Amino acid sequence: QVQLVQSGAEVKKPGSSVKVSCKASGGTFSSYAIRWVRQAPGQGLEWMGGIIPIFGTANYAQEFQGRVTITADESTSTAYMELNSLTFEDTAVYYCARVLGAAFDYWGQGTLVTVSS
Amino acid sequence: QTVVTQEPSLTVSPGGTVTLTCASSTGAVTNDYYPNWFQQKPGQAPRALIYSTSDKHSWTPARFSGSLLGGKAALTLSGVQPEDEADYYCLLYYGGAWVFGAGTKLTVL
Repeated sequence: QVQLVQSGAEVKKPGSSVKVSCKASGGTFSSYAIRWVRQAPGQGLEWMGGIIPIFGTANYAQEFQGRVTITADESTSTAYMELNSLTFEDTAVYYCARVLGAAFDYWGQGTLVTVSS
Repeated sequence: QTVVTQEPSLTVSPGGTVTLTCASSTGAVTNDYYPNWFQQKPGQAPRALIYSTSDKHSWTPARFSGSLLGGKAALTLSGVQPEDEADYYCLLYYGGAWVFGAGTKLTVL
């Protein structure tokens, strides 16, 4: 059974960074891409970027270029999303999702990141 | 800035049929946009329903179907159940980048 388990909620100060993890189990980690999506309170879904662990290269949505870094550790089947220079507008639930080709299938449970002074 | 447009809200009666659509600001949606559809209920993570326009996941109920309709991606629910009340999001591929629609709030009434 495939599962993506994300790290716990975070509270961060403006200007700081946050790193969210996404541990996969029940599948072949390297064969899939991991995409990151966020959802601000009461808002829709927003694609941030993703990585294919076997290749190790990430791509990012233009809105997050230069501020987000997505990595993956094949040895632990874990993907990471680090977002820098946090502002209040970055308060959101951050999700990871597994993708094979063009098929998004399994999602993590979400990680709430609150940016507060 | 690419914009993906969905109906903000729709209402359907139990047992009825409803079609949600997903349009692209760049023109007609084709299979090359690999439309995905997701259902999200309050407080829950999105659940994948459809990928590559019309392919279903193993858990997708038979009453959900995906297609292309009039230059848009479409999600049709036939025989709507009360538990189908949720937000529905489409997702389109733009050569390396993915863009979500703003979502459709489906009310079953």
